[in-house]
Amino acid sequence: DGGITQSPKYLFRKEGQNVTLSCEQNLNHDAMYWYRQDPGQGLRLIYYSQIVNDFQKGDIAEGYSVSREKKESFPLTVTSAQKNPTAFYLCASSSNRPPRGEAFFGQGTRLTVV
Amino acid sequence: SQQGEEDPQALSIQEGENATMNCSYKTSINNLQWYRQNSGRGLVHLILIRSNEREKHSGRLRVTLDTSKKSSSLLITASRAADTASYFCATVLDRGSTLGRLYFGRGTQLTVWP
Repeated sequence: DGGITQSPKYLFRKEGQNVTLSCEQNLNHDAMYWYRQDPGQGLRLIYYSQIVNDFQKGDIAEGYSVSREKKESFPLTVTSAQKNPTAFYLCASSSNRPPRGEAFFGQGTRLTVV
Repeated sequence: SQQGEEDPQALSIQEGENATMNCSYKTSINNLQWYRQNSGRGLVHLILIRSNEREKHSGRLRVTLDTSKKSSSLLITASRAADTASYFCATVLDRGSTLGRLYFGRGTQLTVWP
């Protein structure tokens, strides 16, 4: 059945390590997004991609990188340059057809620095 | 700063009562959406209202939009304990360069007591 899948559900990172969060969708959506959620902060946009091989920085892109080589996949790498990476990460996708913006979310990845 | 802001931050009611949450935003929108998030899970889309609509219903949900006041409200009627969750409003701006991007508020935490 159609949906958006994030993996892993829980991830632990040591100081100085890069880690990659996976996001896959089979909804045939053009647009994909990565959000970070901290307690009491709502969702903040890290990166988004409207089409394959193109992506834009969101509001808090520093310390993160993405790629969009396939329509179905939008992995997020949390680099060692991200000083406070402990958070809940949410991936979403949406169609570029109207009504724009209606998003489907994955179940999230909780990243903890140990 | 964030485009959408919900009010109140937290709401606690008894089963059977109605719950009303409000959302204010700052700039012209294409549409406004409400999402629900159960603790530790991804967001689920509830309802979308376009900028030329004033009211929309879906089951026990009623959403209103007042573009002159840049505000929206979500009413959940006859609430149930299972409605306990965080509720977020999100806006899609009426600008081509960010078409489709969602701007989220910080959310309202709704607790419904049996």
